[in-house]
Amino acid sequence: QVQLQESGPGLVKPSQTLSLTCTVSGGSISSGSYYWSWIRQPAGKGLEWIGRIYTSGSTNYNPSLKSRVTISVDTSKNQFSLKLSSVTAADTAVYYCARVSGSYDWYFDLWGRGTLVTVSS
Amino acid sequence: SYELTQPPSVSVSPGQTARITCSGDALPKKYAYWYQQKSGQAPVLVIYEDSKRPSGIPERFSGSSSGTMATLTISGAQVEDEADYYCYSTDSSGNHTGVFGGGTKLTVL
Repeated sequence: QVQLQESGPGLVKPSQTLSLTCTVSGGSISSGSYYWSWIRQPAGKGLEWIGRIYTSGSTNYNPSLKSRVTISVDTSKNQFSLKLSSVTAADTAVYYCARVSGSYDWYFDLWGRGTLVTVSS
Repeated sequence: SYELTQPPSVSVSPGQTARITCSGDALPKKYAYWYQQKSGQAPVLVIYEDSKRPSGIPERFSGSSSGTMATLTISGAQVEDEADYYCYSTDSSGNHTGVFGGGTKLTVL
């Protein structure tokens, strides 16, 4: 079955760029009409959708983060990635990657286990 | 920006019915989805498209939606249902934006 796994540095300095990768295993990232998404959750707080990407490269971003976020996809590696620039302590969170199902109404039907990223000097 | 509003907490005794609400202006036109998140774990989808239950989710979980409010109902709540529950939907403005509610802590004791 398809599984998702986040990877990347657990510690990022303020003002730098946070970079994470999600590896899709057990199936091709290009099969099916799926978008792929990033979601984050600060400790003790709620979930926040960051953005999503289709394998064609088409993206949608949360307006509150749009100026700092880039999501990309590498179908040859079965991966998609997140870059968040100019990070501050407020970006400290568990970051999840997820598969998106649906079209007009879309949602997350498969999640990675999440990875904690701390922003600190 | 679009918002979904949930009560911060709901508390029931084991065997009672728990109801968690989610309000949003676009819910008459957009489906609501519900995620269960236990401590230290990734969220799990328990209801999709307002009222459908994924395979493996117990029948005591049900969902409904009317007007601007969606409701997750847990009939005969069990201790293992204690978790945070998040509603989710998308905006109807054409911006393709996903939104989570603030989450509801369900206590079963």
